[in-house]
Amino acid sequence: DIRMTQSPSSLSASVGDRVTITCRASRTISTYLNWYQQKPGKAPKLLISAASYLESGVPSRFSGSGSGTDFTLTISSLQPEDFAAYYCQQSYSTPRTFGQGTKLEI
Amino acid sequence: EVQLVQSGAEVKKPGESLKISCKTSGYSFSNYWIGWVRQMPGKGLEWMGIIYPGDSDTRYGPSFQGQVTISADKSISTAYLQWSSLKASDTAMYYCARQGDLVTYYAMDVWGQGTTVTVSS
Repeated sequence: DIRMTQSPSSLSASVGDRVTITCRASRTISTYLNWYQQKPGKAPKLLISAASYLESGVPSRFSGSGSGTDFTLTISSLQPEDFAAYYCQQSYSTPRTFGQGTKLEI
Repeated sequence: EVQLVQSGAEVKKPGESLKISCKTSGYSFSNYWIGWVRQMPGKGLEWMGIIYPGDSDTRYGPSFQGQVTISADKSISTAYLQWSSLKASDTAMYYCARQGDLVTYYAMDVWGQGTTVTVSS
């Protein structure tokens, strides 16, 4: 199975900050990497698929990059509504494992 | 509009059986994999497994193989997750989600609202 390792596990930041979350796969997954946002009490929401493709309706301050084993999610200027948990997931093979998550706090 | 609507919260005792559902609409149910994700209280997302309703091909995560059964009924566009004998450790939120096609690189692109399962004596 492919193991996904996210860092950091938690992150404190302020409105307007630029933040980066990283995700590393235990073996190469090409660009089969997705990012999800989960707000408290809500279902996860797909933000980015294929490592860098922004889903419809997702603000352009979100971006993703990487290929192979190393990936990043960047939020260029944090807004109050961005404080949430973020998860990476590989969709290269089954089981389609998630990273352990990053909690982004004020 | 693609929608996944899950059944309501459940409170069960250890050893009881349970089947929760995920009713879909707005797309061709038979042609997309649909999966289940567990989230234990205060914890992260765990991929449980997926099913392709077109031919009932099913894949399970190693932690869930033999512990749960994923099924689907094409006639009513509904997927299911069931347990034959619940344990307290099954207490969690369970989400169903559609797995997109190659365009989305098989991301889970639409999610249900979640079903809370509480197992307590």
